[in-house]
Amino acid sequence: NAGVTQTPKFRILKIGQSMTLQCTQDMNHNYMYWYRQDPGMGLKLIYYSVGAGITDKGEVPNGYNVSRSTTEDFPLRLELAAPSQTSVYFCASSSLLREQYFGPGTRLTVT
Amino acid sequence: GESVGLHLPTLSVQEGDNSIINCAYSNSASDYFIWYKQESGKGPQFIIDIRSNMDKRQGQRVTVLLNKTVKHLSLQIAATQPGDSAVYFCAEAAAGGTSYGKLTFGQGTILTVHP
Repeated sequence: NAGVTQTPKFRILKIGQSMTLQCTQDMNHNYMYWYRQDPGMGLKLIYYSVGAGITDKGEVPNGYNVSRSTTEDFPLRLELAAPSQTSVYFCASSSLLREQYFGPGTRLTVT
Repeated sequence: GESVGLHLPTLSVQEGDNSIINCAYSNSASDYFIWYKQESGKGPQFIIDIRSNMDKRQGQRVTVLLNKTVKHLSLQIAATQPGDSAVYFCAEAAAGGTSYGKLTFGQGTILTVHP
C-alpha cells in the first residue's frame, strides 16, 4: 500500500494563476480531507468528503474547490491564486472518524 | 468559535525522561480527542485517541489523560527517545451532527529530546 500520495511536492505560482493539487489513496477509505498548514500553526480544514460524489466545506474553503468522482481521488483546485494561499497542503483519508492518514504534503508558494 | 489550544509551545527533555504535553479545549460537545505527531517535512501521524466518556487510555509508551472538568487533555510519553522529537498536535472530533467527520487541530507543541 502506498497510503496517501500527493503531487506535486513543491510548486511556485504567480498571483492569479490556477492549479490542481492531486491526492490519491489506495486504502479504500470513504473519508478524505484537505488541510492547509501555515508556518508554526496547526492544520485548518479546507474541504472534506464522506464518499464519492459528496463534499462539504471545512473551516477555510474560500478560494478553493474540490471534487470526488472516485473513492481514490480527491483533487483540490485553486483558482486565481493569492499570496494568502502560500502554505503547506495536506491531504488525508480515513475509515475511522478520528484516525486520519496523511500524505506527505504539497508546499505551495504564491508570489 | 470553538477551538483547541496548547499551554506550552515548546518542551525540551533529556533522553529517558518522561514527557508531558498539555492541551486545553473549549468544545464540550466533542466526542473524541486525538493526538498526532508531525516530524519535520512530513504529514501528521496518528498516535492515540480517547473517547469523551473515558479519562485515561494507554498505548505503547504513551498515555492520554482527559479531564473534562477543566477541559484539559495531556499526552504522556514514557522514556522519551530522540525519535520522539517532533511537533505534537491535539485535535478534537465530533461523532455526529453537522461537525461529523471534521477534526479541529490545536496549534502544536514542539518536543525536543536531547541525547
